[in-house]
Amino acid sequence: GENVEQHPSTLSVQEGDSAVIKCTYSDSASNYFPWYKQELGKRPQLIIDIRSNVGEKKDQRIAVTLNKTAKHFSLHITETQPEDSAVYFCAAVKFYTGTASKLTFGTGTRLQVTL
Amino acid sequence: NAGVTQTPKFQVLKTGQSMTLQCAQDMNHEYMSWYRQDPGMGLRLIHYSVGAGITDQGEVPNGYNVSRSTTEDFPLRLLSAAPSQTSVYFCASSYGGTSRNTGELFFGEGSRLTVL
Repeated sequence: GENVEQHPSTLSVQEGDSAVIKCTYSDSASNYFPWYKQELGKRPQLIIDIRSNVGEKKDQRIAVTLNKTAKHFSLHITETQPEDSAVYFCAAVKFYTGTASKLTFGTGTRLQVTL
Repeated sequence: NAGVTQTPKFQVLKTGQSMTLQCAQDMNHEYMSWYRQDPGMGLRLIHYSVGAGITDQGEVPNGYNVSRSTTEDFPLRLLSAAPSQTSVYFCASSYGGTSRNTGELFFGEGSRLTVL
């Protein structure tokens, strides 16, 4: 099955700086790579995702890049703000229209944005 | 829409006791799953279902049973609780149809279970 490794486990940045979280996956057939954000005591929520037919996707201050050859993908957060403080999970799956998804999650990165 | 609703939010059990975590969704999602979250281990899939009457095992199924008699409900049963099952449990659902399946998982608020 799929195996997803995520680094770093904790990350502390100053407000306004950028943060980068990296994940690697093992199954070359995986084609869908979402990122979830979980605030303290809350449920995980999807913040951005990327499919294997694109190399980068951006949504305001958040971007995700994918390198299929190296089997790794990264989350980039620019101009970090205190509300970005949370645990971030990457995930990977072989996914296609008409089927359910069985996400394999990374172990999470706790991001702390300090003032 | 209420989304995904889990009950109870908190539960304390003694070793050997049984209980059921309830999960219901009102989004007509075909796909439902249960994850457990432990410190440093991320979210691990316990069981999942691709539709009413169909269930399958995930990464860590031992000690848990599920059933899916309706599209809306997907209860998780602990048959004989063990301290290793102390965790936060999340139910999630996703639209599994053929036309607009985005893959996004919608999570419940979580159930914190402690087994003494």
